Amino acid sequence: GDSVTQMEGPVTLSEEAFLTINCTYTATGYPSLFWYVQYPGEGLQLLLKATKADDKGSNKGFEATYRKETTSFHLEKGSVQVSDSAVYFCALSAGGGSYIPTFGRGTSLIVHP
Amino acid sequence: DTEVTQTPKHLVMGMTNKKSLKCEQHMGHRAMYWYKQKAKKPPELMFVYSYEKLSINESVPSRFSPECPNSSLLNLHLHALQPEDSALYLCASSRLAGARNTGELFFGEGSRLTVL
Repeated sequence: GDSVTQMEGPVTLSEEAFLTINCTYTATGYPSLFWYVQYPGEGLQLLLKATKADDKGSNKGFEATYRKETTSFHLEKGSVQVSDSAVYFCALSAGGGSYIPTFGRGTSLIVHP
Repeated sequence: DTEVTQTPKHLVMGMTNKKSLKCEQHMGHRAMYWYKQKAKKPPELMFVYSYEKLSINESVPSRFSPECPNSSLLNLHLHALQPEDSALYLCASSRLAGARNTGELFFGEGSRLTVL
């Protein structure tokens, strides 16, 4: 079945550091890929998405590129801020799961001033 | 600001109580979802409604009873819950392309439920 594997957290960084959160997936066909973010005490919000190979999703300084050859969708940001502290979920949507998103375990990001 | 509104934000109930969680969206989405989320875990799918009909029930105990009165509203009726049901309950909605889910979910802020 479809699955998403994320790196285990927490990831702890200083402000202005470079961020990478790894995500790899297993799916039949050609899934759409998503990153969702959950700030403390809130629901999940869509951060960015990519619907086909080599697409780059971007939003709020975050980027992720859909790499079919490595089945990956790593999240990156060049300079993190304290306000980026949150839990980040990688997800995929594919026909095997009726296109309902399958979520990874989540990676907690803690950014110190 | 989220466009999916959930009430109440917090709920404390005893194991013999009956309560309901409510969710509303006005984005014209025809798929609505209930998820359960425990601390430090991803959300777990409970129910999916497509065009106001229950399309997916992920083997959820009958003490949870969903209802979709119309295309904008989704309820989750709670009865005889157990302490292990304490969690954050998230409602979400999405567009449908025909019968197909688009995969992009819009979440509410959740209702935090504590069962004593």
